[in-house]
Parts: sequence; structure tokens; C-alpha cells
Amino acid sequence: EVQLVESGGILVQRGGSLRLSCAASGFIFSDYTMHWVRQAPGRGLEYVASVTSNGGSKFYAGSFEDRFTISRDNSKNTLYLQMGSLRSEDMAIYYCARGEDYWTGSHMDVWGRGTTVTVSS
Amino acid sequence: EIQMTQSPSSLSASAGETVSITCRASQIITSDLNWYQQRPGEAPRLLISAASTLHNGVPSRFSGSGSGTDFTLTITNLQSEDIATYYCQHSHSLPFFTFGPGTKVTMK
Repeated sequence: EVQLVESGGILVQRGGSLRLSCAASGFIFSDYTMHWVRQAPGRGLEYVASVTSNGGSKFYAGSFEDRFTISRDNSKNTLYLQMGSLRSEDMAIYYCARGEDYWTGSHMDVWGRGTTVTVSS
Repeated sequence: EIQMTQSPSSLSASAGETVSITCRASQIITSDLNWYQQRPGEAPRLLISAASTLHNGVPSRFSGSGSGTDFTLTITNLQSEDIATYYCQHSHSLPFFTFGPGTKVTMK
């Protein structure tokens, strides 16, 4: 069964750091681009970042690049999101999703259930 | 930067009715448009890619149309399990993968 399972979401203090993980199974992880998408409480989906299959190219939305780092370990079938200088507005469910290794015209066809990040002041 | 808008922001319909959701891109994105469904408390799910291609396992009552800047998601014969928020997303160019704000569908 194709599956993505996120972990690492916890209660963290404002200004703190956190690393999220996404464990993949049921498919050849190293063949696919992987994405992070987040959803703040009661809000819509917000695209965060992507990394190509070999980790060679990364893309971040908006201002995430200065605080977030996406990476992957294909030997462990795992995607990561390192987050720093956390703010209250980073409080959200973080989803990982699978995509194709070309980006124009691609889509996100498999999603995990998400992991919840809470930021306390 | 490509901006995505959706209308309406919410709608209510009766079981068996046909509903339509519109998504508009701020510039031409050819057919690089995806639709996702998110039921309450669940993760998003891909419904339609490339504006009109139904994803595996998605009921045929869902359909997508459009190209350029204007796109439509249509649900015919609305069912209770279709109660969800629907998001469009472009994958045309940098910055990729921007989502629309969502359309919440409820049952009358």
C-alpha cells in the first residue's frame, strides 16, 4: 500500500526549532518529487516547499526559504522539513505529499494524514 | 506571481443536485490545474489533474473543464460524502503549486 506518514509535530515555544519527518512506503521513493503543504486552524491549504527526487533541486513558497529547509534521505525513504524561528502563524497541520519529478503540469497524488505543530508564546 | 481565486467561497445544495465551482488564475496556465477534495478532519485528496483528468478511484460524477485562466469543477448528483472543501491548484510555472482559497460545500 502506498503510504506517507508524517511525524515530529509537537508543542514548541515561539522562536524555537523543529524537524518534521515523512516516512514513505509502498512505492519507489527515489523516483518522486516530494512536497510539504500546511493548513493553519480553520484556514485553507498553503504550499510550503518541494524537493526533486534526487534532492538536487528545492523550491520554497513565499518567505519560507529563510526559515525552513526541505531535505530527503532516499536511503531511509524519508522526507524532512527543518523549521526555525517558529512563529504563532506557523501553527498548522503539516502534510507531506507525493508529486511527479517534472513540475509543470504535475499534481500531488498521495498525501499523508499530517502532523500538528503548535507554537506557544 | 500567479494568483488563484475561487467562487463561490461556500455553497449549499441538496442531495442529487448538480453544483459547479469556478477557479480563476491571474494569468494563463494552459491546463495546468488540479482539483483537490478535503473532507472535514481528513487530508486532502486529488480529484482531477490537468484540468479534466479524473484521478484513479474518483467517482465519475466529478468532472473538470476549462483552460487558460478559467476552470470549473462540476459535481453531478451530489452525495452526502461529497460534503467537503474543494481547492484548485496550479502547476504551471514559478512559483509553483499555489492553491486557491477553497470552496466549502454543505448539504441543505
